[in-house]
Amino acid sequence: DIVMTQTPLSSPVTLGQPASISCRSSQSLVHSDGNTYLSWLQQRPGQPPRLLIYKISNRFSGVPDRFSGSGAGTDFTLKISRVEAEDVGVYYCMQATQFPFTFGPGTKVDIK
Amino acid sequence: EVQLVESGGGLVKPGRSLRLSCTASGFTFGDYAMSWFRQAPGKGLEWVGFIRSKAYGGTTEYAASVKGRFTISRDDSKSIAYLQMNSLKTEDTAVYYCTRGVWLTLDYWGQGTLVTVSS
Repeated sequence: DIVMTQTPLSSPVTLGQPASISCRSSQSLVHSDGNTYLSWLQQRPGQPPRLLIYKISNRFSGVPDRFSGSGAGTDFTLKISRVEAEDVGVYYCMQATQFPFTFGPGTKVDIK
Repeated sequence: EVQLVESGGGLVKPGRSLRLSCTASGFTFGDYAMSWFRQAPGKGLEWVGFIRSKAYGGTTEYAASVKGRFTISRDDSKSIAYLQMNSLKTEDTAVYYCTRGVWLTLDYWGQGTLVTVSS
């Protein structure tokens, strides 16, 4: 199975300041079809997960442009350019390149 | 508007069975893969299984923790995906979510249904 790790596991951020989360996979996430199925999900308190970013860097419909994704191979990053109050929650990276799909442990973002 | 609504959760004793449903609307259900995930109380997300669209054979994949006990199926005429759970264990206690798959990109998530396995 592909193991996903995230750093940091907790990120207290000042409103209006940037935040960055790193995700690393134990093996390359490049699929045989050439795509890299690395997604970022946000889970606000008491809510279901919500897709933010898919295939490394594509923002899903309705996701604010302050969220961006980057990376390649085994190293990926989610950046929030200016954190807003509604961004509080847990962020997960997930790989769907290989079964079983696996998640990082989650990074809790809250406001200082 | 894409909507996924899970139902069928509840309290069940260890060793018993339960069937969850995921009712979809707002899109052509038969064109999409569907997947199930779960989240134990206070824990992270875990993938449960996946069913391809009929165009890709309608075949399934499962996590090792549920393989042989859980079965995913679909009824495209009703726009429903099912998760049949047999031989339930206390460690299967979780909120179960269904998601829509655009091949291997899982975009929309339902609100979830809670399954509690306890004697």
